Amino acid sequence: GQQLNQSPQSMFIQEGEDVSMNCTSSSIFNTWLWYKQDPGEGPVLLIALYKAGELTSNGRLTAQFGITRKDSFLNISASIPSDVGIYFCAGPYSGAGSYQLTFGKGTKLSVIP
Amino acid sequence: NAGVTQTPKFQVLKTGQSMTLQCAQDMNHEYMSWYRQDPGMGLRLIHYSVGAGITDQGEVPNGYNVSRSTTEDFPLRLLSAAPSQTSVYFCASSPPEGNRAFFGQGTRLTVV
Repeated sequence: GQQLNQSPQSMFIQEGEDVSMNCTSSSIFNTWLWYKQDPGEGPVLLIALYKAGELTSNGRLTAQFGITRKDSFLNISASIPSDVGIYFCAGPYSGAGSYQLTFGKGTKLSVIP
Repeated sequence: NAGVTQTPKFQVLKTGQSMTLQCAQDMNHEYMSWYRQDPGMGLRLIHYSVGAGITDQGEVPNGYNVSRSTTEDFPLRLLSAAPSQTSVYFCASSPPEGNRAFFGQGTRLTVV
């Protein structure tokens, strides 16, 4: 099946620093989704990308849909303590819709005050 | 606006017991899905439904049954629980457009 590879697996950063993480696949995706999961909670959608090359922002978060359609990037600027959590990339299985998502294994972000 | 509601939040079962995890959504979404999340893993799709009366298997369906009699509800049944089913289970719903899914808060299941 399609696999999404996220890196890094974990990050420890100082408050105020910028963060970059990415997601790659051997298969083409038509949609890239970025979710954040807080401890004990379900994933919450941060950004959705629908077109190759698309760059979308949500506050301090910016995500890009790679030109090859096989990768995506998420950047967080000026990190704050509440950014702590696990960030997942996801996309629909080939030929499927949002009812069939495949997920990366996540990037765990820790912010040191 | 409740969104996706899962019950119970926590459950402990003995091996061989059966139970149903409940999922309800109030957004009138056509699509609903069940995922499981294990430590260090992303979410893996168990079963999904594209509308009332229509269900299909995902990546890890063995040991689970689903049905979809209404648009709002999509219960997940464990017929005979096994320790390998210890996991956190998430239900999601999606509108047909936009390719985006909205998740419940999860059910943490332990099988002993």
